[in-house]
This record gives sequence, C-alpha cells and structure tokens, in this order.
Amino acid sequence: GQQVMQIPQYQHVQEGEDFTTYCNSSTTLSNIQWYKQRPGGHPVFLIQLVKSGEVKKQKRLTFQFGEAKKNSSLHITATQTTDVGTYFCAGPNYGGATNKLIFGTGTLLAVQP
Amino acid sequence: EAGVAQSPRYKIIEKRQSVAFWCNPISGHATLYWYQQILGQGPKLLIQFQNNGVVDDSQLPKDRFSAERLKGVDSTLKIQPAKLEDSAVYLCASSPTGGPYNEQFFGPGTRLTVL
Repeated sequence: GQQVMQIPQYQHVQEGEDFTTYCNSSTTLSNIQWYKQRPGGHPVFLIQLVKSGEVKKQKRLTFQFGEAKKNSSLHITATQTTDVGTYFCAGPNYGGATNKLIFGTGTLLAVQP
Repeated sequence: EAGVAQSPRYKIIEKRQSVAFWCNPISGHATLYWYQQILGQGPKLLIQFQNNGVVDDSQLPKDRFSAERLKGVDSTLKIQPAKLEDSAVYLCASSPTGGPYNEQFFGPGTRLTVL
C-alpha cells in the first residue's frame, strides 16, 4: 500500500534558525497537503500544492512539490516559538476519486527561545 | 463559522468494555472522516462517509469498530469490545465534498485510554 515517510522525525532548533522537513511518497500523488498539529491539538490545514514543481510561500514558510509529484518539502525561515508542533504532509493517490489522505509520519519541531 | 465538534474529549475504559464517540461536522459539509491517531504517528483513516453513505472503510476493524451517519449530518463511532491497542486519539474531520482537492477540517478529537 501507499506509504508516506517524513524526515527527520524530530528536530530541535534555536529560535531564529531555519528548519526543513522532507516528505516522500511511495506512489505518485494528485496533490500534497500540509498540516500542523500543536502539542495536544488537532491537525490544522496549512496549504495544498497541486502542480508538478510548484512552490508556494506563506510568510516564513516555503512549500515545494517535486517534479515527479512523489515528494515535497516545507522550509521555515527564522523559526519562532510559535512554530512548535508536528508537521504532517498528506496526499491522495493520483487518479483517486476520493480524498483519502495518507498522512506522513510527521516531523516534530521543537524551538528553544 | 462553527468548527467540527466532538464529544467526549476524554474517555477512560477497561478492556472489553464498549465506547462511543460523537461528531458533528461543519454545517453543509458532505464528507465526514474518522481517523485514529496513535501517539507519535500520523492520523490513519478509519472510515469516510459521503452524506450518509460509506465511501471507504477499508482500514476499519469491522469485528469491533462500527460507525454510522444516519441522516448525513452527525456521526457516531463505536468500539465494542475495546482492546488495549485501541488507546489513541480519535479525530473526526469534514470537508465540503469528497474530492481529492478538498482540505479537511479536524475536530479537537477524543482521547481514549483503554486499561
């Protein structure tokens, strides 16, 4: 079955440092979505990428979708304590009729002030 | 706009007991999802409803788990009997439609502990 892996599993940074998490799917995706889950909270949608090679920015966050639509990355510039949480990528299989999202394994980000 | 509502927020039961969770999606959202999130893992889809019909329940352990969405609005998920490995957060989510380009809106979840 489809698997979505993320690396690293955990990263601890000093406030102000940059952070990147990588997402790799075993199958081609129709789109990739990113969610953030604060400690003790629920996943909250951040963004969706659809096109091959697409890059989107949200303030300090930069999202990329790979050319083959099997990988993606999230880069945070100059982390802040508010960035703490687990970042999940998720995607439905290419050609699927439903939005059955397969979530990645997640990357837990800790930011030390 | 009100978000996805879930209850209870926490539940502690002993193994072999039964438990039920309730979810009320965002008004007008046709698609409702139940996920299981084990500590340290990503959410895993258990069942997806489109209105009151089941779209996908391939990962639902049907010998002990059941779910319904009778009127196409709110939904209940039941576990009977519970096992230790069912300890997890059960998340409900909804989206306007079931298409592959819809973001999903998650509720706060129910944290289940099975002793």
